[in-house]
Amino acid sequence: EIVLTQSPGTLSLSPGERATLSCRASQSVTSSYLAWYQQKPGQTPRLLIYGASSRATGIPDRFSGSGSGTVFTLTISRLEPEDFAVYYCQQYGSSPFTFGPGTKVDIK
Amino acid sequence: QVQLVESGGGLVKPGGSLRLSCAASGFTFSDYYMSWIRQAPGKGLEWVSYISSGSSFTNYADSVKGRFTISRDNAKNSLYLHMNTLRAEDTAVYYCTRGSGWTVYWGQGTLVTVSS
Repeated sequence: EIVLTQSPGTLSLSPGERATLSCRASQSVTSSYLAWYQQKPGQTPRLLIYGASSRATGIPDRFSGSGSGTVFTLTISRLEPEDFAVYYCQQYGSSPFTFGPGTKVDIK
Repeated sequence: QVQLVESGGGLVKPGGSLRLSCAASGFTFSDYYMSWIRQAPGKGLEWVSYISSGSSFTNYADSVKGRFTISRDNAKNSLYLHMNTLRAEDTAVYYCTRGSGWTVYWGQGTLVTVSS
């Protein structure tokens, strides 16, 4: 099983700042089959990125994904008030598919 | 528009069984793999299982293998999760999702509580 580790656990930033979230895999993720989701309290997760770097439909271009192999990054170029949430990475290249534990982005 | 509506959750004793259902609409159900993902209260996401469009392929998380069975009825546009030998650690909101890897569409979830 591929174990995903996300860092930091919590990121405290102000609106307008840049957020850099890390997701590291215990083994190489096949074909960069890595996704990122955003989840706000009381809501279902929202797909942001798939294939490590492809933005899902309707996702603002301030969200970008990068990486390959075992190291992946989600970058939010300028935080908007609605971006404060928990972010999860997921690998779907090897069964069982697995999620990381999440990074909480909160307001400083 | 795509809609996924789960049902069947509730309170069950350890060792008990439950069947979850997911009614799908707004897309050609028989064209898509489908999955179940769960989230324990206050915790992160855990992929549970997926099933291929024609039911030929299924896959399970190690934590549920041998206890849970995923199935579907394409004529009824419905997805199911049969859960046996339930444990306290199976307590979670169970989401029905479209697809097997990344997924855009999620139901609102149904809460399963395993407690004596």
